[in-house]
Amino acid sequence: KAGVTQTPRYLIKTRGQQVTLSCSPISGHRSVSWYQQTPGQGLQFLFEYFSETQRNKGNFPGRFSGRQFSNSRSEMNVSTLELGDSALYLCASSPDSYYEQYFGPGTRLTVT
Amino acid sequence: AQSVAQPEDQVNVAEGNPLTVKCTYSVSGNPYLFWYVQYPNRGLQFLLKYITGDNLVKGSYGFEAEFNKSQTSFHLKKPSALVSDSALYFCAVRVPGASGNTGKLIFGQGTTLQVKP
Repeated sequence: KAGVTQTPRYLIKTRGQQVTLSCSPISGHRSVSWYQQTPGQGLQFLFEYFSETQRNKGNFPGRFSGRQFSNSRSEMNVSTLELGDSALYLCASSPDSYYEQYFGPGTRLTVT
Repeated sequence: AQSVAQPEDQVNVAEGNPLTVKCTYSVSGNPYLFWYVQYPNRGLQFLLKYITGDNLVKGSYGFEAEFNKSQTSFHLKKPSALVSDSALYFCAVRVPGASGNTGKLIFGQGTTLQVKP
């Protein structure tokens, strides 16, 4: 099976802009989770979607949002970008919550 | 509060020697524990998990981990380290939601493993 794919791999945006990141899970996986990775804060959970419903949310401001489509593909959106949003954004999929998560390569977002 | 601690920022070991990367956790209820490895500019790769059963769990690439409930620890081990094992290692615990279903993982800060020839 193909692994988790994320597009784009690299992105440079200006402060105040918005950005949309995409994630395609492993075929058959219905749970998709998003994480932010930074040197200072490490890996932090953003949200999880299962069957198009947000099932859990981390402690991030409302500027961070996401959605999941009927084919389990997911997108996350960050509006009004701030310099501190520069990070590696990782998407992970699993068949359901009780299984291990498989991570994509990430999208490296740089906000200038 | 749910948390995971990796007390060592870096572990240095000579190739061929055994290695241990430490992890302790704090979570209510029965823990679901995981180890992941991250190579530079890559996503996380799953190594192994503990859900229930034997306290010694075997995983990918010759790694294993020992679950110790009384010490709330889940240390990663390998009998003989390889230079190619050099990477960033993360311990994680799944946080149960109100309904029991949640994909939320809490990660430790990570431990850099350096294996020298």
